[in-house]
Amino acid sequence: QKEVEQNSGPLSVPEGAIASLNCTYSDRGSQSFFWYRQYSGKSPELIMSIYSNGDKEDGRFTAQLNKASQYVSLLIRDSQPSDSATYLCAVNIDDGGTSYGKLTFGQGTILTVHP
Amino acid sequence: GAVVSQHPSWVICKSGTSVKIECRSLDFQATTMFWYRQFPKQSLMLMATSNEGSKATYEQGVEKDKFLINHASLTLSTLTVTSAHPEDSSFYICSASLTGDYGYTFGSGTRLTVV
Repeated sequence: QKEVEQNSGPLSVPEGAIASLNCTYSDRGSQSFFWYRQYSGKSPELIMSIYSNGDKEDGRFTAQLNKASQYVSLLIRDSQPSDSATYLCAVNIDDGGTSYGKLTFGQGTILTVHP
Repeated sequence: GAVVSQHPSWVICKSGTSVKIECRSLDFQATTMFWYRQFPKQSLMLMATSNEGSKATYEQGVEKDKFLINHASLTLSTLTVTSAHPEDSSFYICSASLTGDYGYTFGSGTRLTVV
């Protein structure tokens, strides 16, 4: 069973703090990992993608991947109230066959950044 | 960047009628598009993979005769919910990718309400 699990939260942090979001996945064949942000009533928007072990930084966002531990995380520095949303972890299993391009989503973590 | 246009953004229909949702890739050709469904406070669940010029591939538990998918061109995929019932009320979202490595762009979603 291919699964992606996230802490459902909600996670509440004060403005300016670091928000840490975690995700684990079950299938070792997973190759591509994505973090999406979804505001209420809207479709997801891509924040970060990561494919190799280690850290990847983009502005206030840092994605961390550890394939051995089957773990991917997202850090948001200097959190702002506008970051309040549901964050979805998504995993693509590239087996070169029928799973190509398909994303499996975690249940999402609700983040609230309070002033 | 890749833009996926989806419409309508919302639709209300009577039980037993059919509804068509369109998904267009505006600035790229998408041989493959994906259709997701999201119920309130739940994550995205993949319904089917839409392949240009061939039959769609449906996920387990998704009725292919109820959710008709047509991908007649490299820029357009449609999802038709046939004989809709209140339990089909959901948020339907399409997505596409330039290639698997660039992440997946989502359409703006369609809120379907069946009364």
